[in-house]
Amino acid sequence: GENVEQHPSTLSVQEGDSAVIKCTYSDSASNYFPWYKQELGKRPQLIIDIRSNVGEKKDQRIAVTLNKTAKHFSLHITETQPEDSAVYFCAASINGRVTDKLIFGTGTRLQVFP
Amino acid sequence: EADIYQTPRYLVIGTGKKITLECSQTMGHDKMYWYQQDPGMELHLIHYSYGVNSTEKGDLSSESTVSRIRTEHFPLTLESARPSHTSQYLCASSDSTSGGPPPYEQYFGPGTRLTVT
Repeated sequence: GENVEQHPSTLSVQEGDSAVIKCTYSDSASNYFPWYKQELGKRPQLIIDIRSNVGEKKDQRIAVTLNKTAKHFSLHITETQPEDSAVYFCAASINGRVTDKLIFGTGTRLQVFP
Repeated sequence: EADIYQTPRYLVIGTGKKITLECSQTMGHDKMYWYQQDPGMELHLIHYSYGVNSTEKGDLSSESTVSRIRTEHFPLTLESARPSHTSQYLCASSDSTSGGPPPYEQYFGPGTRLTVT
């Protein structure tokens, strides 16, 4: 079946450094790739998303890149801050009769040390 | 304020009990979802609904059932709770009526943390 692989599972960086999280998807028909941030005890919150007709999208310190040929996409966080510490989930849409299903990656626990 | 609400937030219950987890949204969204998530782990879709009287099972096999009698309400029921049902249950919704191509952004509720003893 369809799946999304996410790496690394944990990531520790110094405040001010950059962080990169990578995901690979299996369904070549996937056309929507959101990233969610989940702080401890909180609900997942969408931080950025990208559609398959775009190769890169940026929002302040956060950017996402998509390589459709290789079927992988990445989240880039620059100038990390302690409040960026959370679990980040990537997801890919599963298309077909049902176009609103998402398959989630296994998550990356990001720790930013001051 | 437009939001997704889940009750209860925490529930500890004994094996064999019947429970219903409530999810309501005031965002006017037509699509709703239930996910199961172990702490810090990936989200697994267990049920979804595209509108009133429309429900389907998700990718993860679940012994729970759902109903969608009203657009804003999507409760999940476990007829006989077991320790293996211990997990966090997240409700989400999305809006396909606002225009633009699918898929649509999913908004999550705060979750119900269920413990079955």
